[in-house]
Amino acid sequence: AQSVTQLDSQVPVFEEAPVELRCNYSSSVSVYLFWYVQYPNQGLQLLLKYLSGSTLVKGINGFEAEFNKSQTSFHLRKPSVHISDTAEYFCAVSGGGADGLTFGKGTHLIIQP
Amino acid sequence: ETGVTQSPTHLIKTRGQQVTLRCSSQSGHNTVSWYQQALGQGPQFIFQYYREEENGRGNFPPRFSGLQFPNYSSELNVNALELDDSALYLCASSLTLGHEQYFGPGTRLTVT
Repeated sequence: AQSVTQLDSQVPVFEEAPVELRCNYSSSVSVYLFWYVQYPNQGLQLLLKYLSGSTLVKGINGFEAEFNKSQTSFHLRKPSVHISDTAEYFCAVSGGGADGLTFGKGTHLIIQP
Repeated sequence: ETGVTQSPTHLIKTRGQQVTLRCSSQSGHNTVSWYQQALGQGPQFIFQYYREEENGRGNFPPRFSGLQFPNYSSELNVNALELDDSALYLCASSLTLGHEQYFGPGTRLTVT
């Protein structure tokens, strides 16, 4: 079984400042890791994924994340945020196959002008 | 290329009733998963269908059931609705097992 912990329920940050959203996971098997974004009253949009290979993965909208196996973390970063980045961000883990995705509780990114 | 679509957008039901939610997969995808997202929470995995067979299930009771059709579209059925079933129900499709999932806009179910 897997679990995901998103350490911050809300992260306020000023526009054009950098941001890091933290995600830790636990799993007894090799995992695939994902970040999704959810805008108000919408479904989830895939930002980026780690399946294998390079531990630094780049996604859409200028986001990137680094897989750290020893610390079981997959933190999401963006060097300069915009008002349009205001949304809920979910980290998710999968063992592949029949397990489905296990999500964290989400982090609400609040961009302050 | 059409993405994942879901119907209806919103639905209001009374406790004890039954409901059917529908999902059309992204073109070429043979795997569909359903999730329940309560207000202020992350999505919770209900079950997954692969080539018309249930392939995995989360911690949901048997009154949550589903179908996948030959064209890979899918239904989620919930019997004997309870107030706690009020949530956003999300469908996601993937190219095949283990691949990244692409989500639809969801169906907002309210049980009164």
